[in-house]
Amino acid sequence: KQEVTQIPAALSVPEGENLVLNCSFTDSAIYNLQWFRQDPGKGLTSLLLIQSSQREQTSGRLNASLDKSSGRSTLYIAASQPGDSATYLCAVCDTSGTYKYIFGTGTRLKVLA
Amino acid sequence: DGGITQSPKYLFRKEGQNVTLSCEQNLNHDAMYWYRQDPGQGLRLIYYSQIVNDFQKGDIAEGYSVSREKKESFPLTVTSAQKNPTAFYLCASSSRTGSYNEQFFGPGTRLTVL
Repeated sequence: KQEVTQIPAALSVPEGENLVLNCSFTDSAIYNLQWFRQDPGKGLTSLLLIQSSQREQTSGRLNASLDKSSGRSTLYIAASQPGDSATYLCAVCDTSGTYKYIFGTGTRLKVLA
Repeated sequence: DGGITQSPKYLFRKEGQNVTLSCEQNLNHDAMYWYRQDPGQGLRLIYYSQIVNDFQKGDIAEGYSVSREKKESFPLTVTSAQKNPTAFYLCASSSRTGSYNEQFFGPGTRLTVL
């Protein structure tokens, strides 16, 4: 059974720092991996999707990498800002044909001004 | 604007009542999903539907029911059999296009049992 883990559970950094969030998964048979952002009391916003054949995706200050063989993905945030404060979740889409997503429990990020 | 709408934003339920949460999408997506989110537990899948008139149980389906009569709509009913329904409920959809499959979420409904 696929399991997704995110470490650390919470992170507090000063503004301007570059940071890395980690996501690991147990089964490498995935269609893709998706990173989301969630603000308190809100829905999830899709940040980046990495297909299983890709190694990384970039959007602005965000860069996500995928290493299927080791079951790991990282989300790199450059020059962090207070507006980046949110919970970041990763999810993998399984290949069983059900298009189910399995989510990690998230990393709660606080960027201090 | 394409997207997913959920209503209501807040819902209060008395003990023993059934309540229905609405989810509508205009993204022309085949697949729709319902998740429950509790503090510190991430998202747990309640039900999902890959196509109209078909749906499957997720990991925590007990006490919930769904229907999928139209492609754009996937309502969730929280029945009185659900012992602890207070939670944040999120609806999502995706296109079922293999590795391009991207999931999009609605704004959520917060359900509180009085």
